[in-house]
Amino acid sequence: GENVEQHPSTLSVQEGDSAVIKCTYSDSASNYFPWYKQELGKRPQLIIDIRSNVGEKKDQRIAVTLNKTAKHFSLHITETQPEDSAVYFCAATTSGGSQGNLIFGKGTKLSVKP
Amino acid sequence: EPEVTQTPSHQVTQMGQEVILRCVPISNHLYFYWYRQILGQKVEFLVSFYNNEISEKSEIFDDQFSVERPDGSNFTLKIRSTKLEDSAMYFCASSERYGTGPQEQYFGPGTRLTVT
Repeated sequence: GENVEQHPSTLSVQEGDSAVIKCTYSDSASNYFPWYKQELGKRPQLIIDIRSNVGEKKDQRIAVTLNKTAKHFSLHITETQPEDSAVYFCAATTSGGSQGNLIFGKGTKLSVKP
Repeated sequence: EPEVTQTPSHQVTQMGQEVILRCVPISNHLYFYWYRQILGQKVEFLVSFYNNEISEKSEIFDDQFSVERPDGSNFTLKIRSTKLEDSAMYFCASSERYGTGPQEQYFGPGTRLTVT
């Protein structure tokens, strides 16, 4: 089955700097890769996603890149702000089907220092 | 904006007892999911549900677990005989089937289950 590895486990940056979180996946049939932000004690919230037919997607300060050949995808946050501090999870589908059962990485705790 | 809702927010139960966790998915969504998150760990897939039957389940979802859509709005997860290791946050999620391929999944606020 699908396995998702995520690095780093913790990341500390200064306000205004960029942050990059990387994930690799094992199942070449996976075709959907969302990123979730989870604040302490709250639900995971979808912040951006990418499908296997594109290589990059951007939404304001957040971008995701996908390299299907290497089976890795990355989250890029520019001009970080203290409110970006949270745990970020990458995920991938287990199969190429329509169920979209998500397999998550272990998460990255991002701390943005003012 | 419509949201997935879950009740209760916190459930404390004794080992061996049955619990039912309840979810109300977003009204026009057709796929439903349960995930769990042990404290400080990653979110783990349990089961997906579509058209009144289980689509897929993980190794975690053994015979002690069951899901049901008893009416047009609720989606429940039942744990028949709880174990200490079932203590976790349980998230319900739903997605809208539109076209082909996986769709965005929206998570509920979670139910924190504590088994003593």
